[in-house]
Amino acid sequence: NAGVTQTPKFRILKIGQSMTLQCTQDMNHNYMYWYRQDPGMGLKLIYYSVGAGITDKGEVPNGYNVSRSTTEDFPLRLELAAPSQTSVYFCASSRRQGATYEQYFGPGTRLTVT
Amino acid sequence: QKEVEQDPGPLSVPEGAIVSLNCTYSNSAFQYFMWYRQYSRKGPELLMYTYSSGNKEDGRFTAQVDKSSKYISLFIRDSQPSDSATYLCAGWGFGAGSYQLTFGKGTKLSVIP
Repeated sequence: NAGVTQTPKFRILKIGQSMTLQCTQDMNHNYMYWYRQDPGMGLKLIYYSVGAGITDKGEVPNGYNVSRSTTEDFPLRLELAAPSQTSVYFCASSRRQGATYEQYFGPGTRLTVT
Repeated sequence: QKEVEQDPGPLSVPEGAIVSLNCTYSNSAFQYFMWYRQYSRKGPELLMYTYSSGNKEDGRFTAQVDKSSKYISLFIRDSQPSDSATYLCAGWGFGAGSYQLTFGKGTKLSVIP
């Protein structure tokens, strides 16, 4: 199993541009998450999904959108990128309700907005 | 007050030393407590988790939770250079409508050969 994969690994965006960060997991996990990690600030939850077609906001959702059309994929959309969105983005998944503390993370996407 | 507080370090120790990493938390709803390890430019990986208060041992690693004082600890015995990483503690419990992980900021550990 590849686990959780993310593309791209790195990206530089200009202010106002848009992009989609891709996340795929092959573990048949129902739960998926998007976090951002700023230097010295820990991981903050952006959005999460408990299954295909169901998504909900986390702690820092402003400026982002998500969709979940399949169990495997959970893309994160940035509209009108701003410098404050410069961060490392991690996608994660977990297998079942009641065990969502066991999260498996992808390798991350490093995004710079200039 | 942040829900999970963690000293960011950096912490530098000689190979073979016993390492103690600590966190405090404020949310009484946390049920599980996790330690994630994150190597440089990689995603976090779950190292250990503990349910409620008590100890859990896995090889050279021991996780400890004291819910009465809201204190979480990770001990690493016989530390190795390969243990050099950032260690993130986290609490898991119900908040804002769902069960969520709340992370500390991480402690950067360097084990010097």
